[in-house]
Amino acid sequence: EVQLVESGGGLVQPGGSLRLSCEASGFTIRRYWMHWVRQAPGKGLVWVSRSNSDGSSTTYADSVKGRFTMSRDNAKNTLYLQMSSLRAEDTAVYYCVRDDMRAFDIWGQGTMITVSS
Amino acid sequence: QTVVTQEPSLSVSPGGTVTLTCGLRSGSVSTNYYPSWYQQTPGQTPRTLIYNTNTRSSGVPDRFSGSILGDKAALTITGAQADDESGYYCVLYLGSGISVFGGGTKLTVL
Repeated sequence: EVQLVESGGGLVQPGGSLRLSCEASGFTIRRYWMHWVRQAPGKGLVWVSRSNSDGSSTTYADSVKGRFTMSRDNAKNTLYLQMSSLRAEDTAVYYCVRDDMRAFDIWGQGTMITVSS
Repeated sequence: QTVVTQEPSLSVSPGGTVTLTCGLRSGSVSTNYYPSWYQQTPGQTPRTLIYNTNTRSSGVPDRFSGSILGDKAALTITGAQADDESGYYCVLYLGSGISVFGGGTKLTVL
């Protein structure tokens, strides 16, 4: 079965750091662009970042640029999102998403990040 | 910063037809933006409906169709059903690895 499973969410204080992981199964991530997308409680979906297939290029939304770092370990079939200098407005469910020719075709179940003191 | 626009809310009668649109605050949407559409009910993971402007994802009923209408991407639901009541999001690929979601449309079937 093709699936993505995120982990690493939780409660963190403002200014803190957290690393999310996303383990893929049923396919190999080295063939795909991968994204992180987030959704604040009661709000819409927001694109956060993208990694190309070999991890040589990553891009970020302006709201997280300089604070978040996306990476991948193709050998482990796992994606990561290192988040630092966290703010209250980063509170959201974070989804790991596969990109198949610009279709966000496989979504993880999401992991919740709460930034609060 | 590029803003992708969607109607905040729309309503449709059961069996009716409704068109949701996805535009740019500045500029026109074309197939070059690879517009795609996602359905999300509260508490659920988004479901892919349409990608690459007008290609239906596997298992999506043919009452959902995608197109370019004028200067916007469009999602048309023909013969709306009660379980189409949901949130709908479009995504545009801006190039250079950057994608942007629209703000979403809450569709009511009544």
